[in-house]
Amino acid sequence: EDKVVQSPLSLVVHEGDTVTLNCSYEVTNFRSLLWYKQEKKAPTFLFMLTSSGIEKKSGRLSSILDKKELSSILNITATQTGDSAIYLCAVEENSGGGADGLTFGKGTHLIIQP
Amino acid sequence: DGGITQSPKYLFRKEGQNVTLSCEQNLNHDAMYWYRQDPGQGLRLIYYSQIVNDFQKGDIAEGYSVSREKKESFPLTVTSAQKNPTAFYLCASSIVAGPYEQYFGPGTRLTVT
Repeated sequence: EDKVVQSPLSLVVHEGDTVTLNCSYEVTNFRSLLWYKQEKKAPTFLFMLTSSGIEKKSGRLSSILDKKELSSILNITATQTGDSAIYLCAVEENSGGGADGLTFGKGTHLIIQP
Repeated sequence: DGGITQSPKYLFRKEGQNVTLSCEQNLNHDAMYWYRQDPGQGLRLIYYSQIVNDFQKGDIAEGYSVSREKKESFPLTVTSAQKNPTAFYLCASSIVAGPYEQYFGPGTRLTVT
């Protein structure tokens, strides 16, 4: 059973639209949730959300963590063709032993049509 | 420039051969990771290391091996025991004390025929 579930798996919208990507998780000792953008190669970091930082914003992108619902959303307003990418959600668990790796969802493939 | 380098970018091998993927970082990070990415599967953790000369298995370690002799380097060997080795392999690094973000290399696309 997947610990991190993203929806939708793919999404096609027109330039200028606003999109909301979803991520839900089920882990034992949650420490943080991260969003990455991947354009054919290395994922690039967007946001990290923790219990002490549940809202982040950078330009047209914003993200919120809902600790009660064990989920997060990534919003992109006024989308541009350059926003076309796979958006990955990942969760870090607090094992007490340091850096144990991230658990990723399958990603949302976002396509922005001109 | 600080970052993570992976080589080669593309790698082709015949079935039954072992192959080693290189990963080097100059970010002074203690922790390094290997992930595998297949279409529609997201990233899955193969191995990770929090300190030199120590490493742990991730979710899909079977058919892979690693070494961590230097802080900067974490090579991954895909052995002939790996049943479906064709994939995109990503190396990452981070600090050890969380919460932390992982920095990714450009990846190596391995094709085994």
